[in-house]
Amino acid sequence: GQNIDQPTEMTATEGAIVQINCTYQTSGFNGLFWYQQHAGEAPTFLSYNVLDGLEEKGRFSSFLSRSKGYSYLLLKELQMKDSASYLCAVWPYGQNFVFGPGTRLSVLP
Amino acid sequence: EAGVAQSPRYKIIEKRQSVAFWCNPISGHATLYWYQQILGQGPKLLIQFQNNGVVDDSQLPKDRFSAERLKGVDSTLKIQPAKLEDSAVYLCASSPRDRGEETQYFGPGTRLLVL
Repeated sequence: GQNIDQPTEMTATEGAIVQINCTYQTSGFNGLFWYQQHAGEAPTFLSYNVLDGLEEKGRFSSFLSRSKGYSYLLLKELQMKDSASYLCAVWPYGQNFVFGPGTRLSVLP
Repeated sequence: EAGVAQSPRYKIIEKRQSVAFWCNPISGHATLYWYQQILGQGPKLLIQFQNNGVVDDSQLPKDRFSAERLKGVDSTLKIQPAKLEDSAVYLCASSPRDRGEETQYFGPGTRLLVL
């Protein structure tokens, strides 16, 4: 089976940089997704990593290391609207997505 | 492009009652998913459809939950009878998996409270 761990909560200041980690245990997978979910709303797609390395998309970047079973989402120049939960999801071979518990990020002024 | 539509947005019922949720995926998306998201947790897959066929329902509590996608477009998820622990948000998602893209697009969800 898959075991996905994320920190439960994080707090950061507006304008700062924050890194949200995701560790997983799976025998093999197609790729890893990051989703953003504002309170009371549906998850929205942020990034998809297939290969090791950093994928940059504006203020958000996502990193994957398959050998270490590790990914992170990096948010730069934090804004108040970035306060949300961030969900890591693994897509194992021959199976469906498995979502982590999510990290609730609070951005303070 | 219109997103995934779901209704109702909120539902309050008493335990042992029945409830049904509706989902209309993004036009042209062959794959449809139903997830259950309990407060403070990530979404958990209940069932996946490819067109009108069930691909994965391994985590669906089949003694009380059922789902159908008769014409390969919209879908309904039913709970009968509901239990207190079914209180959650029920998310519908779709993806154009048959075109090689796996990204799932979520609807706004139905928030269910069982009293």
